[in-house]
Amino acid sequence: LAKITQPISMDSYEGQEVNITCSHNNIATNDYITWYQQFPSQGPRFIIQGYKTKVTNEVASLFIPADRKSSTLSLPRVSLSDTAVYYCLVGDMYNGGSQGNLIFGKGTKLSVKP
Amino acid sequence: EPEVTQTPSHQVTQMGQEVILRCVPISNHLYFYWYRQILGQKVEFLVSFYNNEISEKSEIFDDQFSVERPDGSNFTLKIRSTKLEDSAMYFCAIRDPGLAGSTSDTQYFGPGTRLTVL
Repeated sequence: LAKITQPISMDSYEGQEVNITCSHNNIATNDYITWYQQFPSQGPRFIIQGYKTKVTNEVASLFIPADRKSSTLSLPRVSLSDTAVYYCLVGDMYNGGSQGNLIFGKGTKLSVKP
Repeated sequence: EPEVTQTPSHQVTQMGQEVILRCVPISNHLYFYWYRQILGQKVEFLVSFYNNEISEKSEIFDDQFSVERPDGSNFTLKIRSTKLEDSAMYFCAIRDPGLAGSTSDTQYFGPGTRLTVL
């Protein structure tokens, strides 16, 4: 399993771009990088997933350098409603015979202030 | 995005009682998961269920826990004799391999059931 390190917390202000970096030095060839968001008392919500380079969707962008040992989740122009915990997960996209149980760390608690 | 509902939203029970938590995926999925999150702690994997049988379970998922899909729709988690330490949010999740770009890490979670054991 890849060892994941991400900041425990981050503060930002409304309208700013927020970048949360995740370190996964021993990522394996078959591993994908996935980010989830969790609001208090709600289930985690899938945000974005990537393997290499850059992925962008309507919510966020994910930047993955060539060595894939880290990844950065970028949230453009955050609002108060983006205050949540953001989890970086690394997992085998094929899983072999496994059916893909997700392993969550403690995540990064993002606080957006007015 | 697949929709998942869970009932009840909050369950209060006495220690030693049995509880059944329900997950209702809106569309037909093959892969189901249960996770729990004790207040202030990490989301923890409990069990995965594929093709009507358990495919993986964690150390937390001991003999007090069981899962089934009794009517081909609802997916239930039963705790036979609840303990105080079972108090947590329980999340059901599904995976739809038919979705474009879906991998095993693309799971959709329900809103959770808050279980309080007194």
